[in-house]
Order: sequence, then C-alpha cells, then structure tokens
Amino acid sequence: QLQLQESGPGLVKPSETLSLTCAVSGGSVSSSTYFWGWVRQPPGKGLEWIGSIYFSGSTYYNPSLKSRVTISRDTSKNHFSLKLNSVTAADTAVYYCVRLRNLFTGDCWGQGTLVTVSS
Amino acid sequence: DIQLTQSPSFLSASVGDRVTITCRASQGISSYLAWYQQKPGKAPELLIYTASTLQSGVSSRFSGSGSGTEFTLTISGLQPEDFATYFCQQLNGYPLTFGGGTKVEIK
Repeated sequence: QLQLQESGPGLVKPSETLSLTCAVSGGSVSSSTYFWGWVRQPPGKGLEWIGSIYFSGSTYYNPSLKSRVTISRDTSKNHFSLKLNSVTAADTAVYYCVRLRNLFTGDCWGQGTLVTVSS
Repeated sequence: DIQLTQSPSFLSASVGDRVTITCRASQGISSYLAWYQQKPGKAPELLIYTASTLQSGVSSRFSGSGSGTEFTLTISGLQPEDFATYFCQQLNGYPLTFGGGTKVEIK
C-alpha cells in the first residue's frame, strides 16, 4: 500500500529557504505510471498546487511560485523534495506531497506538515 | 489559469439530506474535473474524477455530473461521516487549480 510521508522543519525564518522531503513507500518515484507533486494549504484556506515532477525528472511549477520553487527527486532514496526560497509569512501553510496519476488526479496524499514562517 | 468557483461556500444540512455542491470553471474543461473530501486536520481524499467516475472504495452516496463549465457533486443521504469540506480541482492542465471549498456542517 502506497504511503507518503512529509518531513522537514516546522519553523522557517523569513527570507530563508523552506525545505521538505516526501518519502515514498509501497511505490516508486521512478514509476512512469505516476508523477509526484506538492500542494499547500494556508491555515483555514483552500488548496494551492505548487508543482509536479515526472519520472523523467521534468518539472512543472505554479507560475505564481515558479521563481522561488525547486522540486527534485532522489531515486536511490525513493523520495522527492521541495525547496521554496525567500519565504515570507504568506508561505505559512500545511504542505502536502501527493501522487498524481493520469489526468492530474491526486489519488494518494501525505498527512501534511505545517510549516510556519516566523522570526 | 482556469478559475474554479464553488457554491455555496458553506452549507448546513441534516443527516439523510440530499446535498448538491456546484463548481463552475472560468473556461470549458470538458469532463476534466475531480472532487475531494477533506476532514479537519486530515489530507484531502479523492472522491470523483473525470467529473463522474467514482474513485475505488468511495461510497455510492457520492455522485458527480457536468461538463464544460458547470459541475455538481451530489451526496445522497448525508451520513455523519460526510460532514467535511469539499474541493473541486480541474484536470485540464497546468497550472492545476482548485475551487475555494464548500464546508458541509450539521444543521
């Protein structure tokens, strides 16, 4: 059974870089059947897609975040990662990693991790 | 970007009620729409994709319909475990976008 688990610091200072990792178990980040992504949710608000990465390593990012985001993967560790630089309080959110399948459907989500941006 | 507008944003209903939530897209997206359920403190869970296809393991109380720019999620016979927030997501392409959510609460 596929499981996704986010990990990383829960507190990041303004202007610094937010770094999260999603460990994948029960599946492979190298699979050509699926691709992988990050979605965030500010407290009490809606969902925002951050970006996606494919088995080939190709990435797609939300244009609103593109200049600050990098998504990468490590096939040897079977995980993928998110880096968001120059963070502000507006980046405070629960960050979810998600498996996406054909037609961009998120069929399996991590439990989410709250990242707070504060000095 | 494709904007998705959900209505209502809040809905109060009783157990056993039939509930309908609407999602309107800013441009036609054929049947490329999904619905998710999110309970407090939990990740979203996929209910329906391609507008009307029920995800494996999801109760048949849930149904979806629509195409083009207008879509609906219907819950027939609301159960206590259905009180949650529901989001739509367009599957038409990047950038992926979600509706603002509809919170279904107990009357």
